[in-house]
Amino acid sequence: TQLLEQSPQFLSIQEGENLTVYCNSSSVFSSLQWYRQEPGEGPVLLVTVVTGGEVKKLKRLTFQFGDARKDSSLHITAAQPGDTGLYLCAGALDKLIFGTGTRLQVFP
Amino acid sequence: SAVISQKPSRDICQRGTSLTIQCQVDSQVTMMFWYRQQPGQSLTLIATANQGSEATYESGFVIDKFPISRPNLTFSTLTVSNMSPEDSSIYLCSVDQGGYTFGSGTRLTVV
Repeated sequence: TQLLEQSPQFLSIQEGENLTVYCNSSSVFSSLQWYRQEPGEGPVLLVTVVTGGEVKKLKRLTFQFGDARKDSSLHITAAQPGDTGLYLCAGALDKLIFGTGTRLQVFP
Repeated sequence: SAVISQKPSRDICQRGTSLTIQCQVDSQVTMMFWYRQQPGQSLTLIATANQGSEATYESGFVIDKFPISRPNLTFSTLTVSNMSPEDSSIYLCSVDQGGYTFGSGTRLTVV
């Protein structure tokens, strides 16, 4: 059973556009992490959010953890081709559970 | 964060054979994790490997199919045994040091 659903599954946009990726679950997580994976590489950790309602910014990326610690969002402002990749959320229970993934392609 | 060297990076194998994947970490870690990523999909945890004890396998994965070794605190292997085309995936090792670090993965194709 997949505990973490991400939406959208695929996203194809032009450079300069904004986008939001959602990560939803019925489970409460002690923390939630976001990763980006590029072809031929393992996922790379972008951020960890721990507190309900927490917002973290990483340059043009804004991450939010839901108040109930069941969901999260990733917002990218003014997307660039270098943002292209597979974005994965992952929730910490007794182990790390990965979301279904969002494949983002940004065209110049 | 830890640096993980994983090899091989890719392999094409005949069905019925076995492949052993190695992961070397540049620091001592208590637990190492093995994941599978099927084509176009997310990551699924196969097992958790502790040094000095048997690995703990997730539902749907068994030791006979995916034997794991953990001889010391910096090294682990995962073997994919008696392979079939359904085993074609990317296999990744990982460690948790306040955030997971992953190896670059092994892309396995079974023909």
